[in-house]
Amino acid sequence: KAGVTQTPRYLIKTRGQQVTLSCSPISGHRSVSWYQQTPGQGLQFLFEYFSETQRNKGNFPGRFSGRQFSNSRSEMNVSTLELGDSALYLCASSLHGPGLADGTQYFGPGTRLLVL
Amino acid sequence: SQKIEQNSEALNIQEGKTATLTCNYTNYSPAYLQWYRQDPGRGPVFLLLIRENEKEKRKERLKVTFDTTLKQSLFHITASQPADSATYLCALVYSAGNMLTFGGGTRLMVKP
Repeated sequence: KAGVTQTPRYLIKTRGQQVTLSCSPISGHRSVSWYQQTPGQGLQFLFEYFSETQRNKGNFPGRFSGRQFSNSRSEMNVSTLELGDSALYLCASSLHGPGLADGTQYFGPGTRLLVL
Repeated sequence: SQKIEQNSEALNIQEGKTATLTCNYTNYSPAYLQWYRQDPGRGPVFLLLIRENEKEKRKERLKVTFDTTLKQSLFHITASQPADSATYLCALVYSAGNMLTFGGGTRLMVKP
């Protein structure tokens, strides 16, 4: 099976712009989670989608949003970018969700976002 | 709020030795605890999961222990190899179905 793919891999934006990142999960996986990774804060949970519904949400401002399509592909959007949004954004897919005993998460390679 | 602590300093060991990494958490015990490996520029890779009611889990050269009294998990790599050099992350789920909370990770360097 093909792994989790994320596009684009690298992105440079300026403050105030918005950005959309895409994630294609492993075939058959219905749960997609998004994480932000920075050197200072580590890996932080953004949100999780399951069957097109947001099931869990982390402690991020409303500028961060996402959605999931019927084919389980997911997008994440960040509006009004700030310098502090520079990070590696990772998505992970699993069959049923990250919080379950069989919830092994498979991570994509990430999108590295630089906000200038 | 929940806090997960991993040693932020790199762990340097000699090839062939056992590497032991620590994950400490505060407050109430998680339902599940997972360990991941992350190489530079790549996403984390799942290694092992241990449940609240399990004391120990093994997979090849890897062993994870879970002590709810000490609020600690230990991750062991026996007969370590230079290829084991990476950052290792622990992640906790505080109730089934909930989100995964990651520790800051510990960088392991295995020298030949």
